[in-house]
Amino acid sequence: GNSVTQMEGPVTLSEEAFLTINCTYTATGYPSLFWYVQYPGEGLQLLLKATKADDKGSNKGFEATYRKETTSFHLEKGSVQVSDSAVYFCALSAQRNSGNTPLVFGKGTRLSVIA
Amino acid sequence: GAVVSQHPSRVICKSGTSVKIECRSLDFQATTMFWYRQFPKKSLMLMATSNEGSKATYEQGVEKDKFLINHASLTLSTLTVTSAHPEDSSFYICSARPLLGTQYFGPGTRLLVL
Repeated sequence: GNSVTQMEGPVTLSEEAFLTINCTYTATGYPSLFWYVQYPGEGLQLLLKATKADDKGSNKGFEATYRKETTSFHLEKGSVQVSDSAVYFCALSAQRNSGNTPLVFGKGTRLSVIA
Repeated sequence: GAVVSQHPSRVICKSGTSVKIECRSLDFQATTMFWYRQFPKKSLMLMATSNEGSKATYEQGVEKDKFLINHASLTLSTLTVTSAHPEDSSFYICSARPLLGTQYFGPGTRLLVL
């Protein structure tokens, strides 16, 4: 079946440090890949996405490249800020026969950035 | 961006009672809504998918008689936890998706059953 594996946290970084959160997936066919972010007390927000191999999603300084050969979608940011502290979820969307495309999530990685 | 609301945000109930959680898409028509459950330090688990006007499709292992889902309009879906027990305590999150587009998530509802 479809699954997403992401590195376990928590991850604690100093402000302006480089961030990488690893994410690998298992899926049949050609899924779309997503990163969602959940700030304290809020719902999940879409951070970025990529819909086909070699696509790069980017938003708010975050980037992730859809690597089919390594089945990966690692999240990176060159210089994190305290406001980036949140839980980050990697997810994939796989087409079903029903036409619905539910998301399959990783377990989430908590990031804490300290000043 | 698109907004999805959930009500209530937090509910505490006695064991054996039923609890209804509402999920509304505020500025778009949601042809499909999804209900997820999030356990502490674990990922979101899809419970069911509902399309407006039709019966919900439940994931394997989710009791349809326990978790009643109604998607009566293009902007509202409800999840009713019937005869709730302490093991039903969790964080329930809905998402809504327009016909063409991505999913938008609600802020979640924390349920505590005593």
